[in-house]
Amino acid sequence: NAGVTQTPKFRVLKTGQSMTLLCAQDMNHEYMYWYRQDPGMGLRLIHYSVGEGTTAKGEVPDGYNVSRLKKQNFLLGLESAAPSQTSVYFCASTTAGGWETQYFGPGTRLLVL
Amino acid sequence: AQSVSQHNHHVILSEAASLELGCNYSYGGTVNLFWYVQYPGQHLQLLLKYFSGDPLVKGIKGFEAEFIKSKFSFNLRKPSVQWSDTAEYFCAVIHRFSGGYNKLIFGAGTRLAVHP
Repeated sequence: NAGVTQTPKFRVLKTGQSMTLLCAQDMNHEYMYWYRQDPGMGLRLIHYSVGEGTTAKGEVPDGYNVSRLKKQNFLLGLESAAPSQTSVYFCASTTAGGWETQYFGPGTRLLVL
Repeated sequence: AQSVSQHNHHVILSEAASLELGCNYSYGGTVNLFWYVQYPGQHLQLLLKYFSGDPLVKGIKGFEAEFIKSKFSFNLRKPSVQWSDTAEYFCAVIHRFSGGYNKLIFGAGTRLAVHP
């Protein structure tokens, strides 16, 4: 049982490049989330999904897109990376309802030059 | 909108000192409360949680927290810290609605450094 995994662990991009971050969970959780973590700001929700095929915007969605084609996977895309997107990205998942404990992945550190 | 305040951004303690980290949220209703910990270079892990019942909850590694509904607070405590408690601590709150999406709101975090 791996829990929540994220790929890649670290990436450097140039401004304007695109990339996709992959989150996978093996706990059969309905809800999945993408957060970004910046110093002094805690975690801010980018997008979330309450089930396969559904996605919704969180607190800071601009510049990101997501897809949930399979229940176990939640992809975060950056179409045209900007330096402001330099951050640590965490994926999390939880059971249906969303008010239970969220389980977090190890994070992806992204640097946009 | 709901917000979560953590009073201390940085705390420095010596080993064996007592710890209390403050957490307040902005409005009430039925809430679930969490403390997460992030050790250096690691992902967030659940330290403890409160859903209902006894307002004094015990978590892992000797941590406990007390929910005081009248004060909208959920402070984290540990009687005697260790060097291995050096980490960043996040308080988080979620409302339990009857329908719709429930968003987990995080505080800004408190960085704790424990010196031997």
